[in-house]
Amino acid sequence: DILMTQSPSSLSASVGDRVTITCRASQSISSFLNWYQQRPGKAPKLLIYDVSRWQSGVPSRFSGSGSGTDFTLTISSLQPEDFATYFCQQSYSIPYTFGQGTKLEIK
Amino acid sequence: EVQLVESGGGVVRPGGSLRLSCAASGFTFDDFGMSWVRQVPGKGLEWVSGINWNGENTDYADSVKGRFTISRDNAKNSLYLQMSSLTAEDTALYHCARGGSSPIPNWFDPWGQGTLVTVSS
Repeated sequence: DILMTQSPSSLSASVGDRVTITCRASQSISSFLNWYQQRPGKAPKLLIYDVSRWQSGVPSRFSGSGSGTDFTLTISSLQPEDFATYFCQQSYSIPYTFGQGTKLEIK
Repeated sequence: EVQLVESGGGVVRPGGSLRLSCAASGFTFDDFGMSWVRQVPGKGLEWVSGINWNGENTDYADSVKGRFTISRDNAKNSLYLQMSSLTAEDTALYHCARGGSSPIPNWFDPWGQGTLVTVSS
């Protein structure tokens, strides 16, 4: 199975900050990498697929980059509704696997 | 509006069985593959199983292979997960999710709110 490792596990930031979350795969997954946002008590929501493609309705302050084994999700200017947990997921091979999550908290 | 509503969760004894259902609406169900993803409350996400649009292709996580069966009824816009030989490690919130058109969907959007399965004696 492909192990997905996110860092940091938690992050404190303020509204307006720029934040970056990193996801590393245990082997190359080309560009098969998706990002999800999960707000408390809600189901996960797909933000970005195939590394850098926005899902419909996702604000442009979210962006993704990377290839191979190293990927990042960047939020350019944090908004109050962005405080949530973020998961990466490899869509390269079955079993599809997720990172352990990065909890983004208000400083 | 796309909606996925799971049902069928509950408390079951180890070794028992349960059948989860997912009712889909707001989209053409048989245009999409579907998946089950589970989450232990407060913990991470684990892909459980996926099925293609017509049910001819299915796959499973090793942790459930041979115990769980995914199926769908396109006439009823419904997805199912038959679970048997349940253990405490199967305790989780089970989400159904719509996926893409690949043989086994490899992205998940949207997700249902989930149905909680608790395996306990």
